[in-house]
Amino acid sequence: AQKITQTQPGMFVQEKEAVTLDCTYDTSDPSYGLFWYKQPSSGEMIFLIYQGSYDQQNATEGRYSLNFQKARKSANLVISASQLGDSAMYFCAMRERSGGGADGLTFGKGTHLIIQP
Amino acid sequence: DAGITQSPRHKVTETGTPVTLRCHQTENHRYMYWYRQDPGHGLRLIHYSYGVKDTDKGEVSDGYSVSRSKTEDFLLTLESATSSQTSVYFCAIGQAMDTGELFFGEGSRLTVL
Repeated sequence: AQKITQTQPGMFVQEKEAVTLDCTYDTSDPSYGLFWYKQPSSGEMIFLIYQGSYDQQNATEGRYSLNFQKARKSANLVISASQLGDSAMYFCAMRERSGGGADGLTFGKGTHLIIQP
Repeated sequence: DAGITQSPRHKVTETGTPVTLRCHQTENHRYMYWYRQDPGHGLRLIHYSYGVKDTDKGEVSDGYSVSRSKTEDFLLTLESATSSQTSVYFCAIGQAMDTGELFFGEGSRLTVL
């Protein structure tokens, strides 16, 4: 079974609208972290936001927020007031503490977001 | 920005030839990773290292080997490249296991003809 599922291969959104990118995860580990990365067309991977499994509040970083619903195993990324520069691939990822967490992040397949003027 | 350098950034090679990709970091991070990115698959872990000479396999390790003789360098070797190894390869580094994000290099595009 996939550990990270991103069900939206592609999305078109009007500039200035809010965007929600879906991410569900599967783990039996009580301790884990959830991450979102942005990959623009230039190819670099840019870290956006992190949520820990024990965090009581949803993470926020500027225009990015993470809608964390633990019981539903959901970690959706919300981008407020979208901009043309937000057009990119977005990846949801998870790190589990079992095994020491040394084995990095498990990524979803990504969502290609296109912001239209 | 985390100091991570990948080399070469682009390489075209022929089936059956050996290829080595190098990842160099200046951050003194303990953990280093090699991922490959393919359309429709996201990023998949090839190998990782949790210290000098300490490495382990990831999800898609067949056909790849790694070495880490110094903290700052993590090498990925394709002993005999195949067309299925055509991909973009990313190196990543991390410091903390539990909550730390990974910092990625700029990627190395490998084409195997």
